[in-house]
Amino acid sequence: DGGITQSPKYLFRKEGQNVTLSCEQNLNHDAMYWYRQDPGQGLRLIYYSQIVNDFQKGDIAEGYSVSREKKESFPLTVTSAQKNPTAFYLCASRSRGQNTEAFFGQGTRLTVV
Amino acid sequence: ILNVEQSPQSLHVQEGDSTNFTCSFPSSNFYALHWYRWETAKSPEALFVMTLNGDEKKKGRISATLNTKEGYSYLYIKGSQPEDSATYLCALNQAGTALIFGKGTTLSVSS
Repeated sequence: DGGITQSPKYLFRKEGQNVTLSCEQNLNHDAMYWYRQDPGQGLRLIYYSQIVNDFQKGDIAEGYSVSREKKESFPLTVTSAQKNPTAFYLCASRSRGQNTEAFFGQGTRLTVV
Repeated sequence: ILNVEQSPQSLHVQEGDSTNFTCSFPSSNFYALHWYRWETAKSPEALFVMTLNGDEKKKGRISATLNTKEGYSYLYIKGSQPEDSATYLCALNQAGTALIFGKGTTLSVSS
């Protein structure tokens, strides 16, 4: 089945530790995105990549890093510099074109204690 | 930061009522406007992708319109059903950039 997979679904980390969230897609999509959702907020863009080996900062990139070494994969690292990392993280992908919709993973809920 | 505004923030209607939501966005560099439905414990799913001023799209009881010149889109639900309960997100795609989402409208339909 084609789709986009995020893992794990729930993640707990101690404060000060870096953590990497996985996002894999087998839809052959060029573009991939990371969003964060907090209570009362919409989906806020962290990073996006429109092609392999290239990525751009979104509105709230501070404290996060990404890589796009393969078309299928767009991992997100939440670093210790992120001041408030506890949140729900959603990954999406999309093919090129004006009329193309985005497809979303199931999300990862990160809790930092 | 690009501002995509949705209203109302939340809405509660009775089964059978018709309802509509608004998405407002800056009209410069417009490329596409997306609507998604996000049900609890699921991933967001696309309803419509609209690109042309005056576009009207329909999927069952749900329809949407687009005005790119004044920067707004309406989503209509005719004869709401409990299964329509969800958060409805709109997202703006400006040329060469990522999708920027509004905060969503959460709809609750009582039977």
